[in-house]
Amino acid sequence: GIQVEQSPPDLILQEGANSTLRCNFSDSVNNLQWFHQNPWGQLINLFYIPSGTKQNGRLSATTVATERYSLLYISSSQTTDSGVYFCAAPPRRGFQKLVFGTGTRLLVSP
Amino acid sequence: DVKVTQSSRYLVKRTGEKVFLECVQDMDHENMFWYRQDPGLGLRLIYFSYDVKMKEKGDIPEGYSVSREKKERFSLILESASTNQTSMYLCASSQPPGQGAVYTFGSGTRLTVV
Repeated sequence: GIQVEQSPPDLILQEGANSTLRCNFSDSVNNLQWFHQNPWGQLINLFYIPSGTKQNGRLSATTVATERYSLLYISSSQTTDSGVYFCAAPPRRGFQKLVFGTGTRLLVSP
Repeated sequence: DVKVTQSSRYLVKRTGEKVFLECVQDMDHENMFWYRQDPGLGLRLIYFSYDVKMKEKGDIPEGYSVSREKKERFSLILESASTNQTSMYLCASSQPPGQGAVYTFGSGTRLTVV
């Protein structure tokens, strides 16, 4: 099945800084999603991005499917951005379940 | 506001008890999923369902069963709880690919088995 790897595993930022999180996957995918898990455990879907670029406020994501990676950009980070960021993809094209990466733990300090 | 609701936020059960974790979604989604999350192991799929009364095993189904009698409800059952089932349990729902396969998660149930 597909392997989903995320980097870096941990990231500490000062409030206001920008950051880039990376997700590499071992096979072609048609359903790549990014999630944010807050300190209370709630997972929120940030992007459904099988290819191309999407933006939502201070967050944006780009997936280059042919090169098997996706990037999540966080600009002007805030303390509320702290938590764990996961990317996830189906194990095979057309499958409906997702395989999750091990996550990037982000701490934004004031 | 669309929702996936898990019946309990925290749960403490004794070893050997039968445990029911309930999940309800109000989005008319076809697919529903149960994951468990453990430190260092990430999210692992236990079971999923793509239709009423249909279920498929995920990566770690041992010690668990599921029930989906109605489209909106997906229950996870621990037949005889054990301490190694202490974990965070997360329910999710989605539509199939081609209909917008975005996952929506519930807020999780933190289960402790003593």
